[in-house]
Amino acid sequence: DQQVKQNSPSLSVQEGRISILNCDYTNSMFDYFLWYKKYPAEGPTFLISISSIKDKNEDGRFTVFLNKSAKHLSLHIVPSQPGDSAVYFCAAGGTGTASKLTFGTGTRLQVTL
Amino acid sequence: DVKVTQSSRYLVKRTGEKVFLECVQDMDHENMFWYRQDPGLGLRLIYFSYDVKMKEKGDIPEGYSVSREKKERFSLILESASTNQTSMYLCASSPGQGASSYEQYFGPGTRLTVT
Repeated sequence: DQQVKQNSPSLSVQEGRISILNCDYTNSMFDYFLWYKKYPAEGPTFLISISSIKDKNEDGRFTVFLNKSAKHLSLHIVPSQPGDSAVYFCAAGGTGTASKLTFGTGTRLQVTL
Repeated sequence: DVKVTQSSRYLVKRTGEKVFLECVQDMDHENMFWYRQDPGLGLRLIYFSYDVKMKEKGDIPEGYSVSREKKERFSLILESASTNQTSMYLCASSPGQGASSYEQYFGPGTRLTVT
């Protein structure tokens, strides 16, 4: 049972345009959400997070939006740069999960010139 | 900067061998985690620990065990390696309290091949 889903395995965007990565979850106990970025042969690195008391969090070119009623979150990257090409994982944690995270399957973003 | 190190970047082992994967973090984090990453399956939690000598099963603990004798070190053990344990293994750590406890810091990973 996949509690965190990333339905798009890959996404290609032109440099300078907006990249939108999507994530859906099913567990209503999740109250903290994160995005991680992973380059090949490296461990994931934390990108941005949002708690369920907010609906938006922004950090430079990266913005995460949370729609609790739809159990949906998205990551916007504006403007996209070639160095953003990586696999992006969304993750969720919640009350009673002892700081555990449940990860999605990842979306591979390719930013083209 | 938080640093999480893993003992090997690449390992090749034979079926039936006992395999030890070591992870060390230098930020005095209470929580440590072991994941495996497989194509199309994302990161799946094997075991985690929230204190020395404490361990909890994750989503896929079968065929694995762990050891945490010191706060900074968390070991993953494959008692008898099998080919279906060929994977990328990732260790992570996080602080013990508050929202930041969800912000896990990962090591570079160990690519294990079991032949």
